[in-house]
Parts: sequence; structure tokens; C-alpha cells
Amino acid sequence: LAKTTQPISMDSYEGQEVNITCSHNNIATNDYITWYQQFPSQGPRFIIQGYKTKVTNEVASLFIPADRKSSTLSLPRVSLSDTAVYYCLVADMNTGFQKLVFGTGTRLLVSP
Amino acid sequence: SAVISQKPSRDICQRGTSLTIQCQVDSQVTMMFWYRQQPGQSLTLIATANQGSEATYESGFVIDKFPISRPNLTFSTLTVSNMSPEDSSIYLCSAPGRENNEQFFGPGTRLTVL
Repeated sequence: LAKTTQPISMDSYEGQEVNITCSHNNIATNDYITWYQQFPSQGPRFIIQGYKTKVTNEVASLFIPADRKSSTLSLPRVSLSDTAVYYCLVADMNTGFQKLVFGTGTRLLVSP
Repeated sequence: SAVISQKPSRDICQRGTSLTIQCQVDSQVTMMFWYRQQPGQSLTLIATANQGSEATYESGFVIDKFPISRPNLTFSTLTVSNMSPEDSSIYLCSAPGRENNEQFFGPGTRLTVL
């Protein structure tokens, strides 16, 4: 499975937009880009998934360029409760996106 | 969505003993997964628990150390055997939701080995 690289940590303030970029240079044709969020003392929670271009849901947007070698998770107007670790993964469609390989994650700290 | 519960939520164990962690899913699923999250680290997949067959282990994990049971489509157990302080971690199970494109995770079992 393709390995991902993302910043170890990011800081932001309430109300700002946060963009977390992930690199996945070896992404395969069957891989989808998937993001999970993990709060302390909880298991990870699915945020968003995409194959190419742009995907938006009620929580975030995911931007994927044509070469799919990177992606950007965009969190609009973050609040203190968005403080968490955000994991970028590439998930294989052929396994039903079930066998997940987690990278280091980005620890986002939102301050007042 | 899928609701996943784990027991125990935490435990403190002595070196050389074993602990069995239970994972219950509120719906029937073909595959369940077990992960380990060491302090301050990311998650590492231990094994895939298949119903009706032996678990499939990832590189670095062996059945003698982490035996897994999968007696039915909603339940699985992971045993951490002959524990040492290096086994102190959070152990999480996961299962797919109905849409299959996302995994739902249990709250984790925080294990401390003295």
C-alpha cells in the first residue's frame, strides 16, 4: 500500500480555515485517498474519501490534483473541538477500503 | 454506521500474564480488524479476523503472541499473551460500515504492563 507523508503538527485559531496537505507519490490506480480524525482516548473516525478532483461533505473538503500524488484536506472555520490528529491514508478499493495503513498523522491544535 | 464496543476499557497487568480483549459489533460483518497504537504513535494493523477461518497476521505479529478468535459475525477477541512492558499500548478493533468505504473503530483498550 502506498505510503503517505503529512506534517507532524499544525496550529490554528478558531474561525480560520485549515488546510492539511498529504503526499502519496506511489498511489496506485485502485487507491482512494481517505482521511480519518482521532480525538484523545477515542478510535479514529472517518472524515472524507475521494479519488480525484474535489469532494465536499458537511465536515470537510478534499482536493485532489490530476496526478493524484498529493491531496489537501480543508477544514472550514475550525473550532476548539477540531483539535485532533488527522490521518491521511490511501485505501485499496480491491480490499473494500478495509485494510488500513495509517501514517504518522497531523496533530492539529486549535487555539482561542 | 456501526457501533463497536470493547472490553475492558483499560487494564493494568503483570509481566508474563495474558489479557483477552473483547470486541462487539452491533451488526454482522465479514471481517474485523485489530490495531495497536503505542503511546504517542499512529495505529498499526495487527491482524484481520475472518469469520470461519484463521486470522491473517501482518508482518511482525504472530499468532502465538496475539491469538484471535472470531466465533460469529458480530464478535472477536484478541489475546495479548505473555505480556511484557513493551506491550503497553492501546488496542483497537474496527469493522466496516454498511457502505464499506469506511471503517468504524471501537474506543480502544488501554493496556499497561508492569
